[in-house]
Amino acid sequence: GENVEQHPSTLSVQEGDSAVIKCTYSDSASNYFPWYKQELGKRPQLIIDIRSNVGEKKDQRIAVTLNKTAKHFSLHITETQPEDSAVYFCAASPNRDDKIIFGKGTRLHILP
Amino acid sequence: EPEVTQTPSHQVTQMGQEVILRCVPISNHLYFYWYRQILGQKVEFLVSFYNNEISEKSEIFDDQFSVERPDGSNFTLKIRSTKLEDSAMYFCASNPGQGVNEQFFGPGTRLTVL
Repeated sequence: GENVEQHPSTLSVQEGDSAVIKCTYSDSASNYFPWYKQELGKRPQLIIDIRSNVGEKKDQRIAVTLNKTAKHFSLHITETQPEDSAVYFCAASPNRDDKIIFGKGTRLHILP
Repeated sequence: EPEVTQTPSHQVTQMGQEVILRCVPISNHLYFYWYRQILGQKVEFLVSFYNNEISEKSEIFDDQFSVERPDGSNFTLKIRSTKLEDSAMYFCASNPGQGVNEQFFGPGTRLTVL
């Protein structure tokens, strides 16, 4: 089955700088890659997703890239703000209505 | 905006007892899921449910677990005989289907097994 690896596990960046989180997946059948943000004690919330027919997608300060050949995908947050502090999970899904397999998460700290 | 709801928010039970966790998915959604998250760890898939039957389940979802959609509104997860290691946050999610794979998560039920 699908296995998603995520790193780093913890990331501290200065406010205003960029943060990058990287993930790899194992199942070449996966074609949907969502990213979730989870604040302490809260539900995971979808922040951006990318499908396998697209190499890059951007939404304001957040961008995702996908390299299907290498089975890598990444989240980029620019101009980080204190409210970006949270745990971020990458995930992969083999088809559109199927289960989502999560990575282990990255705890992002935005330093003042 | 419609949201997935879950009850209770926190459930404390004794080892060996049965628990039922309840979820109300978003109306008109077609796919339903249960996930769990042990404190400080990743979110793990348990089971998916479509057209009134289980479509897929993980290794975690053994004979102690069952799901039901009894009335077309609620979606329940039952654990027959709880173990200490079942202590976790349980999230329900729903998906509208028809090619839209955004899964909308509920707020979770924190299950504590003593």
